[in-house]
Amino acid sequence: ETGVTQSPTHLIKTRGQQVTLRCSSQSGHNTVSWYQQALGQGPQFIFQYYREEENGRGNFPPRFSGLQFPNYSSELNVNALELDDSALYLCASSLVQGETQYFGPGTRLLVL
Amino acid sequence: DAKTTQPPSMDCAEGRAANLPCNHSTISGNEYVYWYRQIHSQGPQYIIHGLKNNETNEMASLIITEDRKSSTLILPHATLRDTDVYYCIVSPLTNAGKSTFGDGTTLTVKP
Repeated sequence: ETGVTQSPTHLIKTRGQQVTLRCSSQSGHNTVSWYQQALGQGPQFIFQYYREEENGRGNFPPRFSGLQFPNYSSELNVNALELDDSALYLCASSLVQGETQYFGPGTRLLVL
Repeated sequence: DAKTTQPPSMDCAEGRAANLPCNHSTISGNEYVYWYRQIHSQGPQYIIHGLKNNETNEMASLIITEDRKSSTLILPHATLRDTDVYYCIVSPLTNAGKSTFGDGTTLTVKP
C-alpha cells in the first residue's frame, strides 16, 4: 500500500508569483483535502476534492484553487503569492465515508 | 474556528502514562473525536478516534466522558519518542477530511 506523497518538499517563491503543489493520494482513497499550517499553529482546512469536484472549502480566498485528476491525485494552486502564504502545505487522503485521513509529509513554501 | 480546546503544553516522565485532555463542549451528536500526533514539520499521524465509548488500540486509549463534552488521550507508557504535538479534533464520520485543527498540546516526555 502506497502512502500519501507530496512534491516538491521545499519551495521558495517571491511575492506575486504563482505556485503549484502536487499530491498523490493513498491507494484506494478517492478524496483529497488540503491544509495550510503556519508555524506554531494547527493545520487549517483549505478545501477538499472528491471525484474531481470541490467538496467543501475553508476560509481561504479564491486565489487558492485546486484540481483533482481521474487517478485521484491533486494539485493546489496559489496565485499572487503573499508573504503570509509562507507555510507548510499538507495534503490528506481519505474515503468520503471513511474513518480517518492520512497525511502526506507536506510541502514547505517560503514566500520572499 | 476550532471546536476543541487543549492545554498548550504538558510534561510527562518517561515510562509513566501521559494523559492529554481535550474539551469539546459543543460537540454534535454525529461528531467523532479524533486524535492525531505531529512530528516537527511532518504531516499529522492518526492515533485513534471514538464516538461515545472508550476506545483502545495498539498506540493509545481514548476515554470520552458520558456527556461527550471532553475526552482524554492516554499513552500508557510514554517514551522519549512520544514527544510531539497532539491534536484533538471533532468531525462527522462522513466529513473526516474537512477537519478544523486547534493549536494542539505539545507533550514533552522527560527521562
